[in-house]
Amino acid sequence: DTGVSQDPRHKITKRGQNVTFRCDPISEHNRLYWYRQTLGQGPEFLTYFQNEAQLEKSRLLSDRFSAERPKGSFSTLEIQRTEQGDSAMYLCASSLGLTGLAGEGSQETQYFGPGTRLLVL
Amino acid sequence: TQLLEQSPQFLSIQEGENLTVYCNSSSVFSSLQWYRQEPGEGPVLLVTVVTGGEVKKLKRLTFQFGDARKDSSLHITAAQPGDTGLYLCAGAPQNTGNQFYFGTGTSLTVIP
Repeated sequence: DTGVSQDPRHKITKRGQNVTFRCDPISEHNRLYWYRQTLGQGPEFLTYFQNEAQLEKSRLLSDRFSAERPKGSFSTLEIQRTEQGDSAMYLCASSLGLTGLAGEGSQETQYFGPGTRLLVL
Repeated sequence: TQLLEQSPQFLSIQEGENLTVYCNSSSVFSSLQWYRQEPGEGPVLLVTVVTGGEVKKLKRLTFQFGDARKDSSLHITAAQPGDTGLYLCAGAPQNTGNQFYFGTGTSLTVIP
């Protein structure tokens, strides 16, 4: 299977603990995105990488959240001192960005992984 | 305020009926994507529309991109229980960088 993979698929943790999620994108894709989705809602953008550079971060991403993509391939998303409000599905997506900006004549299409469902007790 | 508003938010119909889902924005998009998502899974891409006025068909699904590239619609003919899921439109507005926005979603249930 050459799609986007995420690990773990499910995580249950206690409030105050740290958690780390991993995303492996489609191998030739240079862009990687993280989203958070709560039940019945559309995904909300968290952050975005082009190769190893983190180019954008949403205001939703508090200081407790950090993401890395050290070699421009897989990425990790860490949440420190988890809170019950962090409970959600965390989705990763990758794409092949052919233009400088996604909104400028781009036909960029994102392909999503299955997500990591986090429950903070 | 959501950048992409979808309507209706919920839809429950009988098998065999037709339906249309709308995705509207005040912003212009270079392209819009439609996804379907099943519970516990990530969104799966259905189609990308690029040109204003474009119509794309995928079996019983017809997608249209508005002439001004600010809106899109998804029409399903003769809905089947397998069409049940959360339908999401998404895209990156022009000249706003690389932040990708999703619509508010339409939860469709097709009753056998």
